Amino acid sequence: DQQVKQNSPSLSVQEGRISILNCDYTNSMFDYFLWYKKYPAEGPTFLISISSIKDKNEDGRFTVFLNKSAKHLSLHIVPSQPGDSAVYFCAAIPSSNTGKLIFGQGTTLQVKP
Amino acid sequence: DAGVIQSPRHEVTEMGQEVTLRCKPISGHNSLFWYRQTMMRGLELLIYFNNNVPIDDSGMPEDRFSAKMPNASFSTLKIQPSEPRDSAVYFCASSRTSARETQYFGPGTRLLVL
Repeated sequence: DQQVKQNSPSLSVQEGRISILNCDYTNSMFDYFLWYKKYPAEGPTFLISISSIKDKNEDGRFTVFLNKSAKHLSLHIVPSQPGDSAVYFCAAIPSSNTGKLIFGQGTTLQVKP
Repeated sequence: DAGVIQSPRHEVTEMGQEVTLRCKPISGHNSLFWYRQTMMRGLELLIYFNNNVPIDDSGMPEDRFSAKMPNASFSTLKIQPSEPRDSAVYFCASSRTSARETQYFGPGTRLLVL
């Protein structure tokens, strides 16, 4: 039972263009969402987060959008750079639990020069 | 700041052997998390501690797995006896207070059980 789903295993974009990574969730009790980036042979690193009381959060080239009615969030990277090539994980936390991050399966992004 | 330190980075063992994974969280962080990453199940939380006390171990797969945090700077995840299906990458992460604070991950321990 996958509560956080990233349906696209991979995405390839050209350098300078926009990358859009998508994530769907099923549990309406989730109230905090995060994106992590992971390079090979390293642990995931935090990228950006959003609370359910917001619908957008921006940090430099990275913007996360949250659509609560659709139970959907997306990560936009503009402009994409070759160094952004990594696996991106969407994660969610239920309001009743301060400790449990539930991760999606990840999307591998390749940014071509 | 050294970040989260995990050892060993790689472990190859035979089925039935005991495996101990170690983690040193970032100094001053009060929460520690153990995750497992597999192709089938992705990244899943096994257990987390707050102020050295286990808060949620519902993700621990079975009694063969145990975790301890004897002090604020050290935690272990033990598998006894190990099985081939335990082969995975095990990550330790820490945060200042809870999962709503940024979690900082270690580099992981790649475990192969033959």
